[in-house]
Amino acid sequence: QKEVEQNSGPLSVPEGAIASLNCTYSDRGSQSFFWYRQYSGKSPELIMSIYSNGDKEDGRFTAQLNKASQYVSLLIRDSQPSDSATYLCAGDAGNNRKLIWGLGTSLAVNP
Amino acid sequence: EPEVTQTPSHQVTQMGQEVILRCVPISNHLYFYWYRQILGQKVEFLVSFYNNEISEKSEIFDDQFSVERPDGSNFTLKIRSTKLEDSAMYFCASSEEAGNYGYTFGSGTRLTVV
Repeated sequence: QKEVEQNSGPLSVPEGAIASLNCTYSDRGSQSFFWYRQYSGKSPELIMSIYSNGDKEDGRFTAQLNKASQYVSLLIRDSQPSDSATYLCAGDAGNNRKLIWGLGTSLAVNP
Repeated sequence: EPEVTQTPSHQVTQMGQEVILRCVPISNHLYFYWYRQILGQKVEFLVSFYNNEISEKSEIFDDQFSVERPDGSNFTLKIRSTKLEDSAMYFCASSEEAGNYGYTFGSGTRLTVV
């Protein structure tokens, strides 16, 4: 059974701090990983994608992938209250682009 | 920015009734998906659709489920005989051709079976 695991939180950080979100996956065949943000009652919104080992930066967001450790992370710099949401980690699970999802980590950024 | 459109936003149905959930994917996307999310649980894959046929389906996607792309723009999910446990948020998503398949999700249909 292919799994993606996340700490459900809640993770609470003060405004302006760095939020660090982590994810592990079980399928060594997974090649592509995604971070989505989901506000309560809304659909997931793509934040970052990462395909290669190392870091990928986009604005205040940095995704990190370590395939040897089967570990993906998301750093959010200068956290804002509007970043408060659930962050979902997903990894690919086959040729048809199906994604396997973690339960999500709830992030609260306190003003 | 292009959007995936889903209708209705909410649907309440009696157990045993048929429901059709509708989606209009982004026009130049080639891969279409249905996922669902039961409250408090993980997003679950239901089915993927490419080149006018199902490319993969999950164990959840049994004979009571079906998908269609009837007219080249709409993408529908039909649940033939709804059960209480079908109550969930249903998300349609689409993605481009190979190389970048981060999905764009629709806003979802909240299905409540009573």
